[in-house]
Parts: sequence; structure tokens; C-alpha cells
Amino acid sequence: DVKVTQSSRYLVKRTGEKVFLECVQDMDHENMFWYRQDPGLGLRLIYFSYDVKMKEKGDIPEGYSVSREKKERFSLILESASTNQTSMYLCASSFLVAVSSYNEQFFGPGTRLTVL
Amino acid sequence: GDSVTQMEGPVTLSEEAFLTINCTYTATGYPSLFWYVQYPGEGLQLLLKATKADDKGSNKGFEATYRKETTSFHLEKGSVQVSDSAVYFCALNMEYGNKLVFGAGTILRVKS
Repeated sequence: DVKVTQSSRYLVKRTGEKVFLECVQDMDHENMFWYRQDPGLGLRLIYFSYDVKMKEKGDIPEGYSVSREKKERFSLILESASTNQTSMYLCASSFLVAVSSYNEQFFGPGTRLTVL
Repeated sequence: GDSVTQMEGPVTLSEEAFLTINCTYTATGYPSLFWYVQYPGEGLQLLLKATKADDKGSNKGFEATYRKETTSFHLEKGSVQVSDSAVYFCALNMEYGNKLVFGAGTILRVKS
């Protein structure tokens, strides 16, 4: 079974703190993704990585950065947390699309982040 | 750009009722289409998929048919159960593209 794990299910931080969200996958997937999920807005892509040390901005990258030093691990960093970053954060992974013609993504359970 | 539009929820049904959740898409090419489901407190999981026009995806009693002429991929189930209560997301992926485009999600509540 594919497993995508996230470091925390719930996190509470203060405004201005640096926040790290960690994601690990065990399927040797090339692609990894960070989304945020907000009611009525669905999932919005923050950043995407298709290889170690490679990253690509998604739809809403402002206020976030990412790090991918190893293939199985993808970190999302909030350099200075703000209250409007309170949200559910979902990590996902998939094979590189050249391996198959479509892209099934496998998701972690999510981290609910509250910034006070 | 590519986009997905889903019917707004929440959708509230009684057990054994028929379910339809509408999904339409806009895409410049020929996307693959997906339905993902998110049960309370969990991440998303793939429910079903269709990779070309007229394909029917099915799983756990749910079905959806890829209709190119109406650019739709509506989700249906003949008899819902309380355990089907979840958020359902329609999504598309362009051929040989790496990223999914999601709809806003539809909350389904099934009452016993």
C-alpha cells in the first residue's frame, strides 16, 4: 500500500513563527505536492516538486517555500506564519507522468494548522 | 486555463436515495478525469477515474461517465449509505501533465 505520512495532524503556532510541515512517501514517487484546502475553494496547489532539489510554484506560493533534499521527503516552510495561513495542508505524491499517461496522486492525512 | 466546476453542497440525502453530483470541466485538450473522496479526518483517496471519452469509471457502487460532448463527469450512486458521507472532489489532469486541477468539493451528508 502506498503510504504518505505527514509529521503532525494538528499544529498551533503564533504569528511570525517559522513553521515546518514535513511529508514522507514510501512509493519511490518522483512527484510530490503541497496543497492547502479551504472550505468552498477546494484544493489549491502551493508548490510541486518533480525531483530532488527541483521545485515549481503552484497557484498560491506567496508566503511559502519548500525543500526537497531526499526523494521521499518534501517539506513546506512558512517563513513567518500569518493568521491567513490557518488552513488544512495536504501533501500528495505520484509517479512522474512519463511512467503512465495519467496522474493518480496519493494523499497524506493532512495537517490542520492554526496560526494565532 | 483548465478548470473544474462542481455543484455546490452540502447535499443531504436519506439512506438508499439516488445520488448525483454534477461536474463539468473546461480544458484545451483531452484530460483524464477523476473523482476523489475525503472521509472525515482523512486525506483524499481516489474513488474512480476515466482516461478517455465514453469511458465509465466505477468503484464501491459509484459510477461516472466521461462525456466529451457535454464536458461532464457526473458522479452517481444508486443507493447511498450513511458511510458515504464525505467530501467529493472532481479533478482533471491534462494528458502527460503532472498536475491535477480540482473542483471546490461537494459535501455529502447521508441520514439514516
